[in-house]
Amino acid sequence: QTVVTQEPSFSVSPGGTVTLTCGLSSGSVSTSNSPSWYQQTPGQPPRTLIFNTYSRSSGVPDRFSGSILGNKAALTITGAQADDDSDYYCLLCLGSGIWVFGGGTKLTVL
Amino acid sequence: DVQLVESGGALVQPGGSLKLSCAASGFTFSSHWMSWVRQAPGKGLEWVANIKYNAAGKYYVDSVRGRFTISRDNAKNSLFLQMTSLTVEDTAIYYCARWATSTLPNWYDLWGQGTLVTVSS
Repeated sequence: QTVVTQEPSFSVSPGGTVTLTCGLSSGSVSTSNSPSWYQQTPGQPPRTLIFNTYSRSSGVPDRFSGSILGNKAALTITGAQADDDSDYYCLLCLGSGIWVFGGGTKLTVL
Repeated sequence: DVQLVESGGALVQPGGSLKLSCAASGFTFSSHWMSWVRQAPGKGLEWVANIKYNAAGKYYVDSVRGRFTISRDNAKNSLFLQMTSLTVEDTAIYYCARWATSTLPNWYDLWGQGTLVTVSS
């Protein structure tokens, strides 16, 4: 069974840059997997950040960007702010109508 | 307002059944694929099931296939999740979510606030 992998945790200083990745336990992630990224704070539903690999959802600051880096999807935050301290999840389509979330990355901004 | 509002979450015993509902408003419900996503306490998001806009296609994560049934009533702008043979591993917040398109690429562009299902004796 294919697993979607993410770093369990990451830390970044305010104003710094961090790249979170989203991979597959077998194979490479491509745009065909329709990567999207979601941000979640405690007690709240997820918020859509990035869709279709690269596109920012409405109202999302341009410090968030999506890409493919090597064989993984990536979410980069350039100029991290305190309220970026959240959990981040990627979502991939594995085909045949099956979708899988990554395990999530807990980002600490300090 | 464009929104999704879940209901039906409750405390249920192992082996029991429960039906969740999601009321959609502010958009053309019958044009969108819909989904249920769950999150166990302190854990990550898990995609549970998808249903095509006309209910002609349904897809499930392996762990719920055969126990859960996703359905919809487009006339009432409602999405449902019938859950049977519940186990403690099904304890989670269940979110209703809207897919943005009918094809790939696709993504969630609207989320409900969630409803809590607790399976415990």
